[in-house]
Amino acid sequence: EDQVTQSPEALRLQEGESSSLNCSYTVSGLRGLFWYRQDPGKGPEFLFTLYSAGEEKEKERLKATLTKKESFLHITAPKPEDSATYLCAVQAWGGANSKLTFGKGITLSVRP
Amino acid sequence: DVKVTQSSRYLVKRTGEKVFLECVQDMDHENMFWYRQDPGLGLRLIYFSYDVKMKEKGDIPEGYSVSREKKERFSLILESASTNQTSMYLCASSIGLAGNNEQFFGPGTRLTVL
Repeated sequence: EDQVTQSPEALRLQEGESSSLNCSYTVSGLRGLFWYRQDPGKGPEFLFTLYSAGEEKEKERLKATLTKKESFLHITAPKPEDSATYLCAVQAWGGANSKLTFGKGITLSVRP
Repeated sequence: DVKVTQSSRYLVKRTGEKVFLECVQDMDHENMFWYRQDPGLGLRLIYFSYDVKMKEKGDIPEGYSVSREKKERFSLILESASTNQTSMYLCASSIGLAGNNEQFFGPGTRLTVL
């Protein structure tokens, strides 16, 4: 069974204080790993897809990296508007190819 | 941009009522999904569909059914609503097997069952 564990559950940062969010996963064969951002009361917003170990993707202050066992979402010099819940999900090869397994999310608060 | 819309943002129903939640996507996506999201439990897949009139059970299908009569529309049905179905319901769509499989989500429907 595919599993995704995100840590820490919650993270409080001062504006400008860089940090990383962790997503550990076990999957039979990784087809893709996805990061989403979710604001309170809204649907998740797609950020990145990573397909193979060593791959990196960047968007503004966010950079996602992937190894064979985990992914990190690095946040550089965060701003209060980066406050949100960040979700990680994996998709496996075989079976229901489009199904995603989600972690429980990391709630990030950035203080001005 | 992909747009996924859901019929209601907030809904209040009584125990035993039949509830319909509707989702429409405008990007000709093959796949559509229904999730519920609860504090501490994360996103859990209820049902998904990879084609018109096709459906597959997700992780928690009990108490729910779905309908996909047209490619762009996917409905979630609570045959007899119960208080433990109070939740945030999220619809999503993705292109299909041929392309990247990121899912795009609607704004969600917060359902309260009294």
